Amino acid sequence: GAGVSQSPSNKVTEKGKDVELRCDPISGHTALYWYRQRLGQGLEFLIYFQGNSAPDKSGLPSDRFSAERTGESVSTLTIQRTQQEDSAVYLCASSLEMGYGYTFGSGTRLTVV
Amino acid sequence: SQELEQSPQSLIVQEGKNLTINCTSSKTLYGLYWYKQKYGEGLIFLMMLQKGGEEKSHEKITAKLDEKKQQSSLHITASQPSHAGIYLCGADGSGNTPLVFGKGTRLSVIA
Repeated sequence: GAGVSQSPSNKVTEKGKDVELRCDPISGHTALYWYRQRLGQGLEFLIYFQGNSAPDKSGLPSDRFSAERTGESVSTLTIQRTQQEDSAVYLCASSLEMGYGYTFGSGTRLTVV
Repeated sequence: SQELEQSPQSLIVQEGKNLTINCTSSKTLYGLYWYKQKYGEGLIFLMMLQKGGEEKSHEKITAKLDEKKQQSSLHITASQPSHAGIYLCGADGSGNTPLVFGKGTRLSVIA
């Protein structure tokens, strides 16, 4: 597509529930990144995918967080047993490959109540 | 790991005034990116700098990277309400790692 698309744009969930966030990168972009932005904070790196290489999961805050990507297309970020501290905007970005400029989606605003 | 410090954290300027936002890295940068974010929206790419001493301009916004490639500044001339938002600098240290971002500078432009 023309840009990076994320869905849903907003999600309110009860504490303890699982959530799935989706990211559609720009067609042809081999690299895909997930970031988290808590209120008033900068972007916190979570995970990135580069082509068919094993993903870099070094930024995932706990084992409740996981992400998958099918080939060079859609990625889903899953948060299990959500906690209130998971409330944040989750941003996805893609780039032609590592080292090139990123294009960001509009984010998913997650609120855990 | 690479860390980026932005200053000031927030800035309120009168419309028509000039302003500068700074971004300082703890390590030499491979690439430095400036983004703008409005509430409820994603990040909009502004400029990328890679060479020491490099300077780029787009409309009324100019970004510079120092010779040592550890500090960048973003300068807005004759600010307008449309410039309001959060400005974030991002950087990678090698061209082979995900971007690390500063905490952002919140800019408000008042009439």
